[in-house]
Amino acid sequence: QVQLQESGPGLVKPSGTLSLTCTVSGFSISSGYYWDWIRQPPGKGLEWIGSIYHSGSTYYNPSLKSRVTISLDASKNQFSLKLSSVTAADTAVYYCKRRGATTDYWGQGTLVTVSS
Amino acid sequence: DIQMTQSPSSLSASVGDRVTITCRASQGIRNDLGWYQQKPGKAPKRLIYAASSLQSGVPSRFSGSGSGTEFTLTISSLQPEDFATYYCLQHNSYPHAFGPGTKVDV
Repeated sequence: QVQLQESGPGLVKPSGTLSLTCTVSGFSISSGYYWDWIRQPPGKGLEWIGSIYHSGSTYYNPSLKSRVTISLDASKNQFSLKLSSVTAADTAVYYCKRRGATTDYWGQGTLVTVSS
Repeated sequence: DIQMTQSPSSLSASVGDRVTITCRASQGIRNDLGWYQQKPGKAPKRLIYAASSLQSGVPSRFSGSGSGTEFTLTISSLQPEDFATYYCLQHNSYPHAFGPGTKVDV
């Protein structure tokens, strides 16, 4: 069974860098699929942040592109999100997911609050 | 970039009702669309993929239709566990984009 789990600091200071890791079990991320990051501010809708293909190709939301980096560590079966120069507007639940044609797996989500 | 709209933004319904939610794309996306259900405090769950294919394990009262720019999600007979927020997601081109959501409540 494929499982994803987000981890990282729950509190980040304004102007700092948000760093999250998604650990995947039950499937080798280097074997295929796109791996996505999604976020949801409290009480609001879902926002697609970006994707990384198992080969390492990345795709980002232009609204965040200058601040976002998604990377993959096949040796640890993890992929990561870094978002720089954060503000209170980046406070959200962050989800990682595996995107497939007929399957779709999500992590449980992790709340990251930007506050001093 | 492709923009996604949904209507209505919210609706009130009763158990047993037939519910229809519409999602529109600002340009054609073939059938590269999924429908998601989200309950409070939970990750979204995909109900429909490729616009009209039922995700494994999802009750058959859920159905999707459409292609190009207009899509619908139908719940044929609303059940108590279906009260939730529903989102569409286009993955035809980058950046992928969610619709703003439709909240279904009593």
